Amino acid sequence: EADIYQTPRYLVIGTGKKITLECSQTMGHDKMYWYQQDPGMELHLIHYSYGVNSTEKGDLSSESTVSRIRTEHFPLTLESARPSHTSQYLCASRWNTEAFFGQGTRLTVV
Amino acid sequence: KNEVEQSPQNLTAQEGEFITINCSYSVGISALHWLQQHPGGGIVSLFMLSSGKKKHGRLIATINIQEKHSSLHITASHPRDSAVYICAVSTSQGTDKLIFGTGTRLQVFP
Repeated sequence: EADIYQTPRYLVIGTGKKITLECSQTMGHDKMYWYQQDPGMELHLIHYSYGVNSTEKGDLSSESTVSRIRTEHFPLTLESARPSHTSQYLCASRWNTEAFFGQGTRLTVV
Repeated sequence: KNEVEQSPQNLTAQEGEFITINCSYSVGISALHWLQQHPGGGIVSLFMLSSGKKKHGRLIATINIQEKHSSLHITASHPRDSAVYICAVSTSQGTDKLIFGTGTRLQVFP
């Protein structure tokens, strides 16, 4: 069983609030990823990191930001949440060609 | 045209039926992943393939590198197999990202 954790699992928050979605892995993987998934749609890469102090934007433009201060921790932040940010956010890590996924955070902005 | 195509998009089956989900891709890959996503949103990695065939319980995954095609088979399907099955590929060049198919929504009825 992979050890990659996301918190919270579900979040309902008002417009304009700042939120941070947490992602942690205990496997020591350098490569970590954030994906966004709208209902019934495929996953889209929004951020990735190849190690500490390395972050890059993904294929899908996102107003969120990420940081990678520690190998095991890859949080995603929205400075001012909007209803358009309502989606599911999935965190993943990779070791060679293997991929491990978190349980996801379902975010609703009202 | 998506780089990873899955078929069918939706699939219903009676308990006990043999199920096949197909995945075709158009990019060079280092590995292909079959993932399972349940309604709660979390993703579980079922298989990672770079060649040949793998079996785990009632699940079988095959890949044909020359034809750029993979299949996921479920034998003796059960209602608990109901989920979205996603094909994803690790590209062999570029930024080492995962490219996802749109998923196949499977519903198995008792």
